[in-house]
Amino acid sequence: RKEVEQDPGPFNVPEGATVAFNCTYSNSASQSFFWYRQDCRKEPKLLMSVYSSGNEDGRFTAQLNRASQYISLLIRDSKLSDSATYLCVVGAGEGAQKLVFGQGTRLTINP
Amino acid sequence: EAGVVQSPRYKIIEKKQPVAFWCNPISGHNTLYWYLQNLGQGPELLIRYENEEAVDDSQLPKDRFSAERLKGVDSTLKIQPAELGDSAVYLCASSLGFYNEQFFGPGTRLTVL
Repeated sequence: RKEVEQDPGPFNVPEGATVAFNCTYSNSASQSFFWYRQDCRKEPKLLMSVYSSGNEDGRFTAQLNRASQYISLLIRDSKLSDSATYLCVVGAGEGAQKLVFGQGTRLTINP
Repeated sequence: EAGVVQSPRYKIIEKKQPVAFWCNPISGHNTLYWYLQNLGQGPELLIRYENEEAVDDSQLPKDRFSAERLKGVDSTLKIQPAELGDSAVYLCASSLGFYNEQFFGPGTRLTVL
């Protein structure tokens, strides 16, 4: 089992729709959780950190479910500019001292 | 403020040749990472430095890969000899500390023929 698993997609949704995707992790000791965004042929950039209480940044909401060991990302009122690959990052490995990237979920917003 | 700088941006070499990548992190960032990213996959950590010390190189194929960060600032990643399967994007990232946001450079796209 991979340490961090994501559905690679692609997700194709119309502009204005709400889209959500999850990421599961295997190390129950993980303490650090992030969502990064990567545009085509560009470097990854931090979208948001994920806190135990969940957090919201504009149209983006991230949630953590420790019992089921997954984090989620919700995008409301999606824009064309949201088209990208979304990478889940989790502290994994022994002692959760290694940050591991998921495969990424590819999202395309259609006009 | 300047971001993470990497060079070269693109490199094409023949198999069995050596290749080196250079990274200059954001000023003041103590933690430096080298990642490998294959098409359709997330970045995979090769090595992490805290200042000049390599604190996690468990994923670095040490038979052909080497890295250094002599003065705790810029870093070099080397492959010798390169194999066909090494074709990928090599990303460098830096952060203030391990649990802080990582800032990535634009990467070096390596093609091994």
